[in-house]
Amino acid sequence: GAGVSQSPSNKVTEKGKDVELRCDPISGHTALYWYRQRLGQGLEFLIYFQGNSAPDKSGLPSDRFSAERTGESVSTLTIQRTQQEDSAVYLCASSNSGGVFDTQYFGPGTRLTVL
Amino acid sequence: KQEVTQIPAALSVPEGENLVLNCSFTDSAIYNLQWFRQDPGKGLTSLLLIQSSQREQTSGRLNASLDKSSGRSTLYIAASQPGDSATYLCAVGTGRRALTFGSGTRLQVQP
Repeated sequence: GAGVSQSPSNKVTEKGKDVELRCDPISGHTALYWYRQRLGQGLEFLIYFQGNSAPDKSGLPSDRFSAERTGESVSTLTIQRTQQEDSAVYLCASSNSGGVFDTQYFGPGTRLTVL
Repeated sequence: KQEVTQIPAALSVPEGENLVLNCSFTDSAIYNLQWFRQDPGKGLTSLLLIQSSQREQTSGRLNASLDKSSGRSTLYIAASQPGDSATYLCAVGTGRRALTFGSGTRLQVQP
């Protein structure tokens, strides 16, 4: 596709349920990033993939959060036993090679609301 | 730990005015600095990327400057238009790959 896509665009869930968020990066991009944006705040880094390995998962806030990536394609962010503080917009980005000078291209995000 | 601050948090100006958005960062060891635009319900759009060796970048009515030693960047928007209304985010890139973002400036341009 032309850009980064994410699904679903909106997700409402009940506290304690598990959710899966999906990201399709730009074709050919080897690097993929997940960020979280709470209301009125900037983006917080969660995890970075180079290919299907995750050299940096230091931003994952707890062991309820996990992510995987299939090859250099789709990534899934899973949140188990969701809590109200998990409510946020989850943004995915991809870049050509993951180099420090690369531009990151962002998807439209998934708005997660935990009731 | 790198921290990025954006001032002001919100700004409202009449159409046609020139304006400056400010971004400061605490650690000058950056590879690049990027300005993004965020519209409600949409993702981020990259506006300008300044590499650490550069002092400024220009695109149309936008000009971004970088003073790495003082930890500052400014985004200058000339002849503002209502379509410029959005949240503007500043982010710095370090060797860590992940970008560190400020909390944004919410701009409203009044027609």
